Amino acid sequence: SQQGEEDPQALSIQEGENATMNCSYKTSINNLQWYRQNSGRGLVHLILIRSNEREKHSGRLRVTLDTSKKSSSLLITASRAADTASYFCATDARKTGANSKLTFGKGITLSVRP
Amino acid sequence: DAGVIQSPRHEVTEMGQEVTLRCKPISGHNSLFWYRQTMMRGLELLIYFNNNVPIDDSGMPEDRFSAKMPNASFSTLKIQPSEPRDSAVYFCASSLSFVLQNLYEQYFGPGTRLTVT
Repeated sequence: SQQGEEDPQALSIQEGENATMNCSYKTSINNLQWYRQNSGRGLVHLILIRSNEREKHSGRLRVTLDTSKKSSSLLITASRAADTASYFCATDARKTGANSKLTFGKGITLSVRP
Repeated sequence: DAGVIQSPRHEVTEMGQEVTLRCKPISGHNSLFWYRQTMMRGLELLIYFNNNVPIDDSGMPEDRFSAKMPNASFSTLKIQPSEPRDSAVYFCASSLSFVLQNLYEQYFGPGTRLTVT
C-alpha cells in the first residue's frame, strides 16, 4: 500500500493565490520529501524535512510536518502559472536493521490559471 | 553537471522483443534507483543499487525484468520478453546516500517512455 497519500488529487487556483497540498502517511519516518513533476519530465526534488523538524521554508515553499498526525503540508505562496505541475510527497520509512527507501504517493495535479 | 542521463527517451517495440533501458547517474552519487510510472499505479520503485550492489529488488514485477550496474557510472534495465502491460515511463534516479542510513534527495532522469504493441 502507498505510504504517502496526497490530498487533494487535483487543485485549480488563480495566479497569485496560495496553494496548499497535504500528505498523510502510515508508519514512522526518517524524513519526508516533496517533489514536482512537469508534464513529460522527471521528478525534481523541492524540499526535505526531517522527522525532528516541524517547519521548513525554501523561497515560496513552506513545508510543515506533524509526526503525531502523520501528515505534512506543502504551501506554495503567490502561485505562478509556471507552478502548474504534479506534486508528490515521498516518505523514507524508519526501519530497524533494514535499508530504507522512498515511497511516493500518487501525486496532486496543480493547475494555476493565468 | 549533466544530471542523470537516460536512453533512449522513447522506445516502441513489439510484444516479445527484448528491451534495454540505460542510465548514467550523476558522477559521485552512490545510489541508483529504477522506477516505473503509470497512470494506474503511480510511481513504483523497481530496484535500487548502493555502491553498484543491488540492495532491494522486491519491486521487480517478474523474472522478465532484470537490472545490472556493472560500474558506478552505468546501469541497465532489461525486459525480456516485453509485454503490452510493460508500457510505462521508466525513470532512473541517483542520490548520495548510505546503506542503513537516511536517504537524501534523489535526482531523476528525464525518463524513457516505453510502448509495447
